Amino acid sequence: AQSVTQPDIHITVSEGASLELRCNYSYGATPYLFWYVQSPGQGLQLLLKYFSGDTLVQGIKGFEAEFKRSQSSFNLRKPSVHWSDAAEYFCAVGAFYNQGGKLIFGQGTELSVKP
Amino acid sequence: GAVVSQHPSRVICKSGTSVKIECRSLDFQATTMFWYRQFPKQSLMLMATSNEGSKATYEQGVEKDKFLINHASLTLSTLTVTSAHPEDSSFYICSAGDYSDSHNEQFFGPGTRLTVL
Repeated sequence: AQSVTQPDIHITVSEGASLELRCNYSYGATPYLFWYVQSPGQGLQLLLKYFSGDTLVQGIKGFEAEFKRSQSSFNLRKPSVHWSDAAEYFCAVGAFYNQGGKLIFGQGTELSVKP
Repeated sequence: GAVVSQHPSRVICKSGTSVKIECRSLDFQATTMFWYRQFPKQSLMLMATSNEGSKATYEQGVEKDKFLINHASLTLSTLTVTSAHPEDSSFYICSAGDYSDSHNEQFFGPGTRLTVL
């Protein structure tokens, strides 16, 4: 079965500290992986995506993620968190557009940032 | 990036009435749009895939007669919640697929908060 697991429902970090949000997936084909961020009452903004090539991908707002096929993981990292990073983060795995383009989302991780 | 709008952003209706939500891709043509539902503090659940000029494909468990989807043009898809009931109250989010060489991803609308009294 295709699924995405984000083990951490809620994480709190201090401003300036490093961050890692975990994501594990189960997918029958070549996975296309995404990280989105959602502020309260808003839609989703893409942080970064991985289709192929270099397994360490850089995104917006200083985020990066590393694809590890052997671990079926796509963890999101940021070296220094800012208070404005407080939001809900979703990992997603999907099919390529010519295979329907559907996305499967993880449960989300809520990030709180302490001053 | 590409922009997707939704209208209305918030709607309150009485039980038994129908509500239409619009999803527009403002600066690109989207042959495929997706409709999601999100409950508070939960993830997005795909309801249906909408392809321009053809019938929508609904996910298992989603009532197609209750959630009518129309994708009449390359920039507009609509979701109509028919005979709405309080349990239909939720946050509905659409996305539009931009699969041009420069993007190859879905762009999400800001969402519509539906409250059924």
